[in-house]
Amino acid sequence: EIVLTQSPATLSLSPGERATLSCRASQSVSSYLAWYQQKPGQAPRLLIFNTSNRATGIPARFSGSGSGTDFTLTISSLEPEDFAVYYCQQRSNWPPSLTFGGGTKVEIK
Amino acid sequence: QLQLQESGPGLVKSSETLSLTCTVSGGSISSSSYYWGWIRQPPGKGLEWIGNVFYSGNIYYNQSLKSRVTISVDMSKNQFSLEVSSVTAADTAVYYCARWGNWNGDRWGQGTLVTVSS
Repeated sequence: EIVLTQSPATLSLSPGERATLSCRASQSVSSYLAWYQQKPGQAPRLLIFNTSNRATGIPARFSGSGSGTDFTLTISSLEPEDFAVYYCQQRSNWPPSLTFGGGTKVEIK
Repeated sequence: QLQLQESGPGLVKSSETLSLTCTVSGGSISSSSYYWGWIRQPPGKGLEWIGNVFYSGNIYYNQSLKSRVTISVDMSKNQFSLEVSSVTAADTAVYYCARWGNWNGDRWGQGTLVTVSS
């Protein structure tokens, strides 16, 4: 089973600052890496799929990059509504399965 | 606008079976473009994938839960369901249903908290 490790666990930043979140896989996941945002009491929301593609309605300040085992979610300039927990997720082809990383909390400094 | 809504008991006794249903509205569960699945989140913890089902009956489970989990689909009601047998306190969680396009969760239900009591 592929394990996803996210770092840091918590990121303390101010509005307007740049956020860089990391997701490392225990083995190559090709480009099948997605990112989700979750706010308290809400379901996760898909932000990025296939490493770098923004989901419908996601602002351009969110971007994804990486390949193989190392992936990054970047928020170019934090808005107040961006303070939340972010999860990465990968898919394995066979047997088909999904795993999530442990999450990174982006909190207001 | 596609919507998913989880329903089922919020309290289940230890050793019994947890049963939830996800009702899909605003779209058909028999679309060939999507899988439908379940994810859970224990209080204060991260996300755990439980399994996905295709309308044709193909089902894939998290191997760590496979022995206790059953997912099924009812196209006539546009619903899919989850059963988790022999539950313990470790199964206490918010359970989400979601639509998976290319194995990306692009639509989620609001989630329902299921508490396992002793």
